[in-house]
Amino acid sequence: EPEVTQTPSHQVTQMGQEVILRCVPISNHLYFYWYRQILGQKVEFLVSFYNNEISEKSEIFDDQFSVERPDGSNFTLKIRSTKLEDSAMYFCASSDQGAGNTIYFGEGSWLTVV
Amino acid sequence: AQKITQTQPGMFVQEKEAVTLDCTYDTSDQSYGLFWYKQPSSGEMIFLIYQGSYDEQNATEGRYSLNFQKARKSANLVISASQLGDSAMYFCAMREGFNDYKLSFGAGTTVTVRA
Repeated sequence: EPEVTQTPSHQVTQMGQEVILRCVPISNHLYFYWYRQILGQKVEFLVSFYNNEISEKSEIFDDQFSVERPDGSNFTLKIRSTKLEDSAMYFCASSDQGAGNTIYFGEGSWLTVV
Repeated sequence: AQKITQTQPGMFVQEKEAVTLDCTYDTSDQSYGLFWYKQPSSGEMIFLIYQGSYDEQNATEGRYSLNFQKARKSANLVISASQLGDSAMYFCAMREGFNDYKLSFGAGTTVTVRA
């Protein structure tokens, strides 16, 4: 069964450092997303991406965040200058177009900022 | 206002019994979709079941069924014949509108299956 893959599974970084989280969405999907889940809290939407541009972003997705689809398969989330409060599980997800299509999540990338 | 409300923070269920996880939602859109995801302790988010707002039949996927009551704005998940591997956090989520694909999640319900 096709799946969304994410790397790294876990990353520890120092405050102020840049982090890039990588994702390979399901190959025929057109919509891509990043969500995050701070430990013990709700899953929160960060950004959606379609047709090589951001289609929607949340208040959390401020100037320190950016997304890219550098080639036909990868989808990345960059955090420019990490803060302690960025420590969370980051989920990449993808979906096909059309109403009623399921959004499939990757296994997540744990980010720990120290 | 919360878009998705899950009022049960935690539940215990005996192996082989059924369990119902509550989910109510709030939207003014006529077109929306409701999802349930399972998150085991390992952290991944596993899709379980989907119900569209225009679907007349309740969705079923194996041991999972969704009790969709549109007038009450509820979308409860029923897990039949619980197994030890069902122990996990379960999230209800909603997507609103035709052109909005993002999901709003509830706070989740932790299910512990006892042998």
